[in-house]
Amino acid sequence: QVQLQESGPGLVKPSQTLSLTCTVSGGSISSGSFYWSWIRQPAGKGLEWIGRIYTSGSTNYNPSLKSRVTMSVDTSKNQFSLKLSSVTAADTAVYYCVRFMDVWGKGTTVTVSS
Amino acid sequence: DIVMTQTPLSSPVTLGQPASISCRSSQSLVHSDGNTYLSWLQQRPGQPPRLLIYKISNRFSGVPDRFSGSGAGTDFTLKISRVEAEDVGVYYCTQATQFPNTFGQGTKLEIK
Repeated sequence: QVQLQESGPGLVKPSQTLSLTCTVSGGSISSGSFYWSWIRQPAGKGLEWIGRIYTSGSTNYNPSLKSRVTMSVDTSKNQFSLKLSSVTAADTAVYYCVRFMDVWGKGTTVTVSS
Repeated sequence: DIVMTQTPLSSPVTLGQPASISCRSSQSLVHSDGNTYLSWLQQRPGQPPRLLIYKISNRFSGVPDRFSGSGAGTDFTLKISRVEAEDVGVYYCTQATQFPNTFGQGTKLEIK
């Protein structure tokens, strides 16, 4: 059974870059024709799709964040990653890594504050 | 972006009674491949979302059969035939037909 686990700093300073990694366990990130996404949720609010990456390295980013987002995949480590630059308080949220829409990580809280 | 609009935003329901949530998209969700990529998610308090229904009406593995999805084009419905206590949470519709994926605002299901 595939499981996902987010990791990364819980506190990021304004204007800096948020970096998160998702580790896939219980299966290979390269198996199947899935895409791997990052989705975020500010406290008490709804869901926002950040973008997705295929194991080929092909990416699609939400246009609202595109200028600040970079996603990458490391198949040798069974991981994929998110970088969000020039963060502000508005980027404070729980960040989820997701396979397609069927497997979700538990989420990691990232707070942007000085 | 496709806007997803859910109604109601809050739904108090009596245990054992049915519940229904509607989701309307600003554009047709029929993909050029013929599929309609409309899914429903459940988020219990303090938990990550969980996939319930995909492609309008397909129940995901392990989802009780009291959950059902229906609809076509721009109008979709999630129904719970008999609400149980464990169904409390927020339900989201989401589309993956057109990039970027978008979500409804969420409907909070609570017990009367």
